[in-house]
Amino acid sequence: QVQLVQSGPEVKKPGASVKVSCKTSDYTFTNYAISWVRQAPGQGLEWMGWITTYNGDTDYAHKFQGRITMTADTSTSTAYMDLRSLKSDDTAIYFCVRDFLGQGNWFDPWGQGTLVTVSA
Amino acid sequence: QSALTQPPSASGSLGQSVTISCTGTSRDVGAYEYVSWYQQHPGKAPKLIIYEVVKRPSGVPDRFSGSKSGNTASLTVSGLQAEDEADYYCNSYGGSDNYVFGTGTKVTV
Repeated sequence: QVQLVQSGPEVKKPGASVKVSCKTSDYTFTNYAISWVRQAPGQGLEWMGWITTYNGDTDYAHKFQGRITMTADTSTSTAYMDLRSLKSDDTAIYFCVRDFLGQGNWFDPWGQGTLVTVSA
Repeated sequence: QSALTQPPSASGSLGQSVTISCTGTSRDVGAYEYVSWYQQHPGKAPKLIIYEVVKRPSGVPDRFSGSKSGNTASLTVSGLQAEDEADYYCNSYGGSDNYVFGTGTKVTV
């Protein structure tokens, strides 16, 4: 079945960068966008942005613009999210999701999540 | 874009029904038929249970139903079961290629 498998947990210092990967399988990668969503400890879900995998177009939520980059490698059906200038309140679980952008606009399925801890 | 407003908690007994509201604006929930709902159990990734306001993915029990009126969408869980105890989040497409999530509702059975 369709799967999104993410890279493992990360611990970073404030000011550093983190890159999370999301390897997809069992569907045509370029037919769907990938969105990234994060969840701080005990908090709700926050949409960060999407990438259209067939051409690399991106759209980021305003609060992340300037320090986030999403990319997609069509040869390996893998998406990446790079977040820079990390702060302690970036500590969260980061999820990648298959995004039915322009096809009804919903998310399914979700990756298992990657915990990113930002601490001095 | 501000988060959609959901009640922090809702509860019901086994077999009863519970309805969760999701209030947005005329720029998101009120503007598009693109509201989806997600169920999240502790320590797990969210799971899609409703998309395009009223549609259920295959495998989701018909106890889950969605609706929308104006700027407010709703999720109803009928015939509550123990496994329905979870956090629920709504999401709406908000135009300009953006999405917004609801604040989340903890359902207790």
